[in-house]
Amino acid sequence: NAGVTQTPKFQVLKTGQSMTLQCAQDMNHEYMSWYRQDPGMGLRLIHYSVGAGITDQGEVPNGYNVSRSTTEDFPLRLLSAAPSQTSVYFCASRTMTGPVGELFFGEGSRLTVL
Amino acid sequence: GENVEQHPSTLSVQEGDSAVIKCTYSDSASNYFPWYKQELGKRPQLIIDIRSNVGEKKDQRIAVTLNKTAKHFSLHITETQPEDSAVYFCAAIPRSNDYKLSFGAGTTVTVRA
Repeated sequence: NAGVTQTPKFQVLKTGQSMTLQCAQDMNHEYMSWYRQDPGMGLRLIHYSVGAGITDQGEVPNGYNVSRSTTEDFPLRLLSAAPSQTSVYFCASRTMTGPVGELFFGEGSRLTVL
Repeated sequence: GENVEQHPSTLSVQEGDSAVIKCTYSDSASNYFPWYKQELGKRPQLIIDIRSNVGEKKDQRIAVTLNKTAKHFSLHITETQPEDSAVYFCAAIPRSNDYKLSFGAGTTVTVRA
């Protein structure tokens, strides 16, 4: 199993540009999520999904869109990048079978917006 | 939503000493409290977790304690080693929405040789 795979690992954007961060998991997890990590602020939830066709907002959703067309994929879209979106982004997934448990993270995507 | 506060933000310990990180949470109905370790440039990984029906859990050199009355939980690392140097995050999930895991701000632990 590859686990959770994110691409790209690094990206530099100019203000106003758009891009999509890709996330895929091969563990058949129903739950997938996106977090951003900023110094001194921990990991903050952007959006999450509990299955294909179902998404919801987390703590910091503004400026980001998501969709879930398959169980495996959960892309994060930045429609008009802003310097405040400079961050490290982590995709994470877990099973929804049984009580809530371990969240499996991807390797992260470092985004810089100039 | 859940609000998790974590202290200290940085911790330096001599190799072989113990390290303790404390977290408080706001939602008294929260029922799941994991701890994640993130080595430099790596992804966060679960190291231990505890549920609200348990007061303490141990796994080799690490242990977590939970005080539901005071709404705080702590990570204890004994006999620290250089490989324990990392950022540690506590987290909590509210019973009202177990899809929204909230993390503390993190503690950077440095183990001095």
